[in-house]
Amino acid sequence: DTAVSQTPKYLVTQMGNDKSIKCEQNLGHDTMYWYKQDSKKFLKIMFSYNNKELIINETVPNRFSPKSPDKAHLNLHINSLELGDSAVYFCASSQGPLETQYFGPGTRLLVL
Amino acid sequence: ILNVEQSPQSLHVQEGDSTNFTCSFPSSNFYALHWYRWETAKSPEALFVMTLNGDEKKKGRISATLNTKEGYSYLYIKGSQPEDSATYLCAFIPGGGADGLTFGKGTHLIIQP
Repeated sequence: DTAVSQTPKYLVTQMGNDKSIKCEQNLGHDTMYWYKQDSKKFLKIMFSYNNKELIINETVPNRFSPKSPDKAHLNLHINSLELGDSAVYFCASSQGPLETQYFGPGTRLLVL
Repeated sequence: ILNVEQSPQSLHVQEGDSTNFTCSFPSSNFYALHWYRWETAKSPEALFVMTLNGDEKKKGRISATLNTKEGYSYLYIKGSQPEDSATYLCAFIPGGGADGLTFGKGTHLIIQP
């Protein structure tokens, strides 16, 4: 069973569209995260979220919004997609900051 | 902005040799340091979570040390094998622990047979 799954794996879309990436974890973890891997292969935190608190990296444009229907899911919604949003997006989960994070396989987003 | 630096950026090592590389992070407001191994086209996989100054962790041929007072951690690989080729990432969590990981840019390790 996949611990952290993301869908879709690949996403090609036009500028200006709105899209969502889904993330699910079956590990019973309390905290989930979204990371962006930029063109230089650098991983940057976008959001961390648990039952009580959403922490947003202030550099993330407000076109990006996480939505959590329940503890096992943290979806990433992106409005008005721009060319610069093209990247690989990784979801992760953990039991807490002192526990290892388990990463999903990544979603490769290409905005044309 | 948190500054997490890793050196060297890339490293070529002969099979069988041992090697090590460095992660430096802010020594004030420390909460935890993570090490991950990231193979091409895969997801990062956890190696260690370190929290205490002087911590040493070991997993097979890979070990890590932590110095929170001076803000650095070393990762050691003993007797490198081709399957050790990967990018090794360290990631810092500041005090409070509520934020996600701030990653360094990684050390890209290539083991040459």
